[in-house]
Amino acid sequence: DIQMTQSPSTLSASVGDRVSITCRASQSISGWLAWYQQKPEKAPKLLIYKASSLESGVPSRFSGSGFGTEFTLTISSLQPDDFATYYCQEYASDRTFGQGTKVEIK
Amino acid sequence: EVQLVESGGGLVQPGRSLRLSCAASGFTFDDYAMNWVRQAPGKGLEWVSGISWNSGGIHYADSVEGRFTISRDNAKNSLYLQMNNLSIEDTALYYCAKGPANWGPHFFDLWGQGTLVTVSS
Repeated sequence: DIQMTQSPSTLSASVGDRVSITCRASQSISGWLAWYQQKPEKAPKLLIYKASSLESGVPSRFSGSGFGTEFTLTISSLQPDDFATYYCQEYASDRTFGQGTKVEIK
Repeated sequence: EVQLVESGGGLVQPGRSLRLSCAASGFTFDDYAMNWVRQAPGKGLEWVSGISWNSGGIHYADSVEGRFTISRDNAKNSLYLQMNNLSIEDTALYYCAKGPANWGPHFFDLWGQGTLVTVSS
């Protein structure tokens, strides 16, 4: 089974900061990785697929990179609406999610 | 409006059964694979099961294999999850989630709001 590990688990940041979240796969998943944003009491929302493709309607301050086993989600300038929990998900085989990274106000 | 609406959740005793439903609208349902993803209270996301556009391909997570059955009725634009022999560990918010294609491991580009299943004696 593929394991997905996100770091950090919690990230404290201020509006305007550039933030990055890392997701590591236990084995190569090529570029088969997605990122989601989830706010409290809401369903997850797709942000990025195929490691770096931006979902329609998602602001361009979100970007994804990586290939193989290491991936990064970057928010170029954190906005008030971006404080949320972020999950990565591989879809090379098992559809496994990372454990999540909570982005909170510093 | 493009949406997924789940129903059927509730409080159930360990060992009993429950059937979840998901009604799709606003898109051509039978063009896409569908999935169930769950989230235990305060925890992360766990993919549960997926079904191809024509029900020809079905996969389950190891944690539910043999107890849960996914199905769909394309004429009714509906997805189902029959859950048998429920355990406390199955307590979660269950989301219906659409895939971007008719089959294959994939990401989820449309989610419902979820239906809560609580397993407790």
